[in-house]
Formats: sequence, C-alpha cells, structure tokens
Amino acid sequence: SQTIHQWPATLVQPVGSPLSLECTVEGTSNPNLYWYRQAAGRGLQLLFYSVGIGQISSEVPQNLSASRPQDRQFILSSKKLLLSDSGFYLCAGQGREEKLFFGSGTQLSVL
Amino acid sequence: KQEVTQIPAALSVPEGENLVLNCSFTDSAIYNLQWFRQDPGKGLTSLLLIQSSQREQTSGRLNASLDKSSGRSTLYIAASQPGDSATYLCAVETDSWGKLQFGAGTQVVVTP
Repeated sequence: SQTIHQWPATLVQPVGSPLSLECTVEGTSNPNLYWYRQAAGRGLQLLFYSVGIGQISSEVPQNLSASRPQDRQFILSSKKLLLSDSGFYLCAGQGREEKLFFGSGTQLSVL
Repeated sequence: KQEVTQIPAALSVPEGENLVLNCSFTDSAIYNLQWFRQDPGKGLTSLLLIQSSQREQTSGRLNASLDKSSGRSTLYIAASQPGDSATYLCAVETDSWGKLQFGAGTQVVVTP
C-alpha cells in the first residue's frame, strides 16, 4: 500500500530560524507529491506540487521553498521563518490511482 | 478562483442519529470531489471520491452526493457512532494533476 512518512509531528521554532520538513513515500514510484498548509481556522491550502525529480511548481507566493532530490523524497524549507509560517503542514502523494494519500502532518509553531 | 465552503463549521449529535454535512463550491468545472476525515494529530483519510460524471458514491454507512450544476455535495453518515467524531473535509480537484481545493471542514462530535 502507498504510505507517506512525514516528520517531525510537532516543531517549535523561533522567528528567523531555518526550516526543513521532509516526507518520503513508499509503495509507489514516480508519484505526484504535494505540500499543503492549514492555518488555524482555515482550510488546507496547496503550497507546492511536484510531478517528478527536480520539478517543483509553487501555488502561492510565500517564504517557503520545496525540493525533490529523489523520486520519493519531498522537502519543504525556509531560510528564515516568519510568525505567519505557523500552521499544520501536510505532505500528500498521488500514485497510479486517483485517490491521494497523506502523511500524518507536522504542527509548526513559530514563536 | 474556486472557493469551497463547508456548513456547518461544527456539529454535535447523539449516537445513532444520522449526520448530514454540506459542501458547496463556486466553479462547477471540477474533475472530481473528495471527502476526507481528519483526526487530531493525524493526517487525512480518504472517505469517498466522486467523479464529475457521477451523482453519488457509497461506502458502508457513508453516502456522498454530487450536484455539479448547483455546486453542492452532501455527505451522509448513517447511524452515527462516537468513533465518527472527527473533522470532515470536502475538496474539489479542478484538473487531473491531483491539486485539491479544500473547505475549512466540519468538526463533528458524536456523544454516547
């Protein structure tokens, strides 16, 4: 079965510090991969998606970047975190089937 | 721009009652619509996926309808159980790339 490993589950970072969130995929090859963010009281918003190694599309302007160094690895980064970067970050994948599968998410608090 | 709205934002029912969750979207040109369940501290679980050409999908006690022309979908959960307590998310996919536009969710509490 298709699974996503995402870590850490929670993270507290000071403003101005760097960020690196990683997710890895098992059970499928060449998946489409996605990073979503859920701010408090709001719906999940698509930040980035990738259809292959090194291919990243950004959906909204922001302080974050994404990279896909390997087929089943997707990384979300920031050089300097802002307070507004706080939220719940979710990595998702889409294999040959149309249904998406999700990681367990990372709750990021920027203080 | 596609906007997805879920009403109500929160719902509390006694065990055994049927649940009705509503989702509306502004652009009827969708590829599919999906319902997810979100538990605290966990990722999303896909419940039902309705293709744009379909009117409904069923899985066990869950039934989801889709009226694309009016921009609405409804998720019915029959004979609710305390284990159904969670946040339910509706999302529409507007192309085949798997990019979803989510509603803010309906938080459901089923009391014993």
